[in-house]
Amino acid sequence: NAGVTQTPKFRVLKTGQSMTLLCAQDMNHEYMYWYRQDPGMGLRLIHYSVGEGTTAKGEVPDGYNVSRLKKQNFLLGLESAAPSQTSVYFCASSGYPYEQYFGPGTRLTVT
Amino acid sequence: KNEVEQSPQNLTAQEGEFITINCSYSVGISALHWLQQHPGGGIVSLFMLSSGKKKHGRLIATINIQEKHSSLHITASHPRDSAVYICAVRSEGTYKYIFGTGTRLKVLA
Repeated sequence: NAGVTQTPKFRVLKTGQSMTLLCAQDMNHEYMYWYRQDPGMGLRLIHYSVGEGTTAKGEVPDGYNVSRLKKQNFLLGLESAAPSQTSVYFCASSGYPYEQYFGPGTRLTVT
Repeated sequence: KNEVEQSPQNLTAQEGEFITINCSYSVGISALHWLQQHPGGGIVSLFMLSSGKKKHGRLIATINIQEKHSSLHITASHPRDSAVYICAVRSEGTYKYIFGTGTRLKVLA
C-alpha cells in the first residue's frame, strides 16, 4: 500500500497562475482533507470531503476549490494564486475509526 | 484563545530524560490524536485516544476527558525523538479536526 500520496512535491507559481494539487489514497477511506501549514500556526483545514462526490468548506476555503470525482482522489485547485497562498499543503484521509493518515506534503511558493 | 493549546512550545532535553508534552482543549471532542512531524518531513499519527491511556514502545499518551487535557510522555528520550509533536482533536459530532501549534522537541546526545 502506498497510503496517501501527493503530487507535486514542490511547485513555484507566479501570482495569478493556476494549478491543481492531487491527493490519492489506496485505503478505501471515505473522508479526505486538505490542510495548509504555516509557520507558527497549526494545521488549518481548507476543504474536506465525507465521500465521493461531496465536498465541504473548512476554516480557510477562500481562493481554493476542490473536487472528489473518485473515492480515491481529492483535488485541490488554486484558480489565481496569490503570495498569501505560499504554504505547505497536506492531504489526509481517514476511515473508521477515523485515525488520520497524511500525505508527504506539497511545498508551494507563489512569487 | 486557540481551542487547542499545547505546552511547552519548545523543549530541549538531554538523552535519557523523561519528557512530558501537554495538550488542553476547550471544545467537546470524540477523539484526540498525537502526531509527530520530523523536520522537513511528513506527519505521522502516534496515537488516537478517546479515554484512558495508550502505550507504544517508549511513548505513552493519556487523556482526561473531564479536565479536557491530554499528555504525551516519552521515556528514555533519544535524539531520534527530536521532532514537532502535534495534538489534534476531532470535534464532537463532526469529521473535522482542530490542531494545536505543536511542541518542538530537541533531544541532545
